Amino acid sequence: AQKVTQAQTEISVVEKEDVTLDCVYETRDTTYYLFWYKQPPSGELVFLIRRNSFDEQNEISGRYSWNFQKSTSSFNFTITASQVVDSAVYFCALSEASFGNEKLTFGTGTRLTIIP
Amino acid sequence: EAQVTQNPRYLITVTGKKLTVTCSQNMNHEYMSWYRQDPGLGLRQIYYSMNVEVTDKGDVPEGYKVSRKEKRNFPLILESPSPNQTSLYFCASSLSSGVVYNEQFFGPGTRLTVL
Repeated sequence: AQKVTQAQTEISVVEKEDVTLDCVYETRDTTYYLFWYKQPPSGELVFLIRRNSFDEQNEISGRYSWNFQKSTSSFNFTITASQVVDSAVYFCALSEASFGNEKLTFGTGTRLTIIP
Repeated sequence: EAQVTQNPRYLITVTGKKLTVTCSQNMNHEYMSWYRQDPGLGLRQIYYSMNVEVTDKGDVPEGYKVSRKEKRNFPLILESPSPNQTSLYFCASSLSSGVVYNEQFFGPGTRLTVL
């Protein structure tokens, strides 16, 4: 069965510091997709990134970067020069690419607080 | 604008009073799904639908029903709500090709409190 672990329940950093959110996953499939979502205090889910299992290239988008390592089953998310607007709950999720149920298996989330 | 809408956004009700949370998408998506979010548990899938008249249970279906009579709508029905169904509910949809994974679009969420 698929599983996503976000061991960091809550993180607080001072503004402008860098912060890394950890995500470890388990799956028996060779083809799967990994995601990060942001949930700001307003409650909606904001899609950040999708990665498929065949693409281990790291990605950078502005202050955000993602490190995908199949060898350690990890898909970590780093925010550089954090800002107060980054305060949110962040979810890592996994989907196995099988026909039918495109279920996302979510981690329990990491609450990130950026202190001004 | 492409979107998934949910109604109501907030609901406070009492135990046993039947309720329906509506979900509608305007993207002609085949696949739709309901999740519930609880503290410390993340989001868990309740039910999903691959197309009209095709629905199936997710991980936590007990106490819920769904229907898919039209492609755009996927209502979540609580026949006899109980306090343990107090949660934040999300509807999601995607264009299911059956081959390539497609991004899921989430609704804004419905916060339900059952007293």
